[in-house]
Amino acid sequence: DIQMTQSPSSVSASVGDRVTITCRASQSISGHLHWYQQRPGQAPKLLIYATSSLQSGVPSRFSGTGSGTDFTLTVSSLQPEDFATYFCQQSQRAPLTFGGGTKVEIK
Amino acid sequence: EVQLLESGGDLVQPGGSLRLSCAASGFTFRNYDMRWVRQAPGMGLEWVSSISYDGYDNYYADSVKGRFTISRDNSKNTLYLQMNSLRAEDTALYYCATKGSSGESFAWGQGTLVTVSS
Repeated sequence: DIQMTQSPSSVSASVGDRVTITCRASQSISGHLHWYQQRPGQAPKLLIYATSSLQSGVPSRFSGTGSGTDFTLTVSSLQPEDFATYFCQQSQRAPLTFGGGTKVEIK
Repeated sequence: EVQLLESGGDLVQPGGSLRLSCAASGFTFRNYDMRWVRQAPGMGLEWVSSISYDGYDNYYADSVKGRFTISRDNSKNTLYLQMNSLRAEDTALYYCATKGSSGESFAWGQGTLVTVSS
């Protein structure tokens, strides 16, 4: 199975900060990497698919980059509604696997 | 608007069975592969099972293979997960999700809670 490792596991930040989350795959996954946001008590929500494509309705302050094994999700200017947990997921090879999550907390 | 509504979660004893359902609306259900993903309390996301748009191809995580069965009824726009021989480690919130063209899950239900305990 492809292992997905996210870092950091948690980050404290303030409104307006730039936040970057990293996801590393145990083998190359080409561009088959997706990012989700999960607010407390809610279902995951797709933010970015195929490394860098912004899902419809998602604010442009979210962006994704990467290739091969290393990927990043960046929030350019953190808003109050962005305090949540973020997960990456690969779909290059079955079984689908997710990263362990990064919790973005208010500083 | 795409909507997925799961149901069927309950408290069940170890070794018991449950059938989860996911009612879909707002999109052409028969055209999309579907998935079940679960989340144990306070934990991350774990893919459980997938089914092709026509129901002919099914895939399972090793942790549930031989115990869970995924199916769909395209005439009813409904996805199912039959869960047998349940174990304590199957306790989780079970989400159904729609697979997009790049392998992403672009829509999720709100989840249904399965608790396995004596």
